[in-house]
Amino acid sequence: DVVMTQSPLSLPVTLGQPASISCRSSQSLVHSDGNTYLNWFQQRPGQSPRRLIYKVSNRDSGVPDRFSGSGSGTDFTLKISRVEAEDVGVYYCMQGTHWPPVTFGGGTKVEIK
Amino acid sequence: EVQLVESGGGLVQPGRSLRLSCTASGFTFGDYAMSWVRQAPGKGLEWVGFIRSKAYGGTTEYAASVKGRFTISRDDSKSIAYLQMNSLKTEDTAVYYCTRDDSWGKGTTVTVSS
Repeated sequence: DVVMTQSPLSLPVTLGQPASISCRSSQSLVHSDGNTYLNWFQQRPGQSPRRLIYKVSNRDSGVPDRFSGSGSGTDFTLKISRVEAEDVGVYYCMQGTHWPPVTFGGGTKVEIK
Repeated sequence: EVQLVESGGGLVQPGRSLRLSCTASGFTFGDYAMSWVRQAPGKGLEWVGFIRSKAYGGTTEYAASVKGRFTISRDDSKSIAYLQMNSLKTEDTAVYYCTRDDSWGKGTTVTVSS
């Protein structure tokens, strides 16, 4: 199974400042079809997860443009350009290239300093 | 608007069975694969399984932790996906989410305890 490792575990951020979350996979996530199936999810407190980014860098509809995804191969990053109060929650990366099983990272908790 | 509503959760004893439902609306259900993902209390997300659309055979895939105990099925005429859970264990205690990749339901809680 592909292991997804996120860092940091916890990320205290000042409002208006940038934030960056790393996600590393135990093997390359480039699929034989040329796509890289790496998604990012946000889970606000008490809510269900919401997909923010699919295939590394594509923002879902309604996702603010302060969220961006990048990376390739085994190293991926989710960036928030200017953190707002509503961004508090846990962020997960997920790979759908080598499945089953689909695997998630352990999560990064974003909180306001 | 895509809506996914899970139901059927509850308290069940170890070894017993439970069937969860995911009722979909706002899209052509039969055109989409559907997945189940769970989240144990205070823990991260764990993929449970997946059912392809009929166009792709309607076949299923499962996580090793539930294979042989859980079965995913679908009724496209009713826009419902099911998760049949047999031989439940205490470690199956979690919130179970139904997802269409870009959309998630609010989840239903399953507690396995004697």
